[in-house]
Amino acid sequence: RKEVEQDPGPFNVPEGATVAFNCTYSNSASQSFFWYRQDCRKEPKLLMSVYSSGNEDGRFTAQLNRASQYISLLIRDSKLSDSATYLCVSNQGGKLIFGQGTELSVKP
Amino acid sequence: EPEVTQTPSHQVTQMGQEVILRCVPISNHLYFYWYRQILGQKVEFLVSFYNNEISEKSEIFDDQFSVERPDGSNFTLKIRSTKLEDSAMYFCASIRGQGPNYGYTFGSGTRLTVV
Repeated sequence: RKEVEQDPGPFNVPEGATVAFNCTYSNSASQSFFWYRQDCRKEPKLLMSVYSSGNEDGRFTAQLNRASQYISLLIRDSKLSDSATYLCVSNQGGKLIFGQGTELSVKP
Repeated sequence: EPEVTQTPSHQVTQMGQEVILRCVPISNHLYFYWYRQILGQKVEFLVSFYNNEISEKSEIFDDQFSVERPDGSNFTLKIRSTKLEDSAMYFCASIRGQGPNYGYTFGSGTRLTVV
């Protein structure tokens, strides 16, 4: 079983749509979680940390459910510039474990 | 905003040759990492480095790989005898401390092509 598993997509959505990404992880010892964004052939960039209480940053909302080992990211009112690959990441003792990534394409 | 700098941005090398990938982490960061991403695949951990020694390495990081922090600012990854399957993007990253509140900063990567 993959340590961090994501639906690879692609998700093709119109501008203004709400889109949700899901992620599951297998190692219950994972200490913290993040969503990163990666544009084609670029480095991963931190989008947001994920907390059990849920956290919001503008149009982005992340949620962690430790009991079911499940992480989500919700993007509201999607923009063309949101087109990228979204990486679900767990932190295990300082080492980041990446999911395969979910590709998002926002169309006009 | 402080950056992690990697050079070169693209390196083409012949199979069997040695390559050195260079990174300059953020100056007050203490933990350094190398990750790689083969085209179309996920980002994979290679090695972590703290206090001038390797703290953890993955199965990928075999005897062909080595890391060094030669002068207190640079952090290098050496591949001794490159193979075709070493072709990938190599990302350097650094963090100031460990724990859930410390975010990684990644460099823009070196694309290594082995021919």
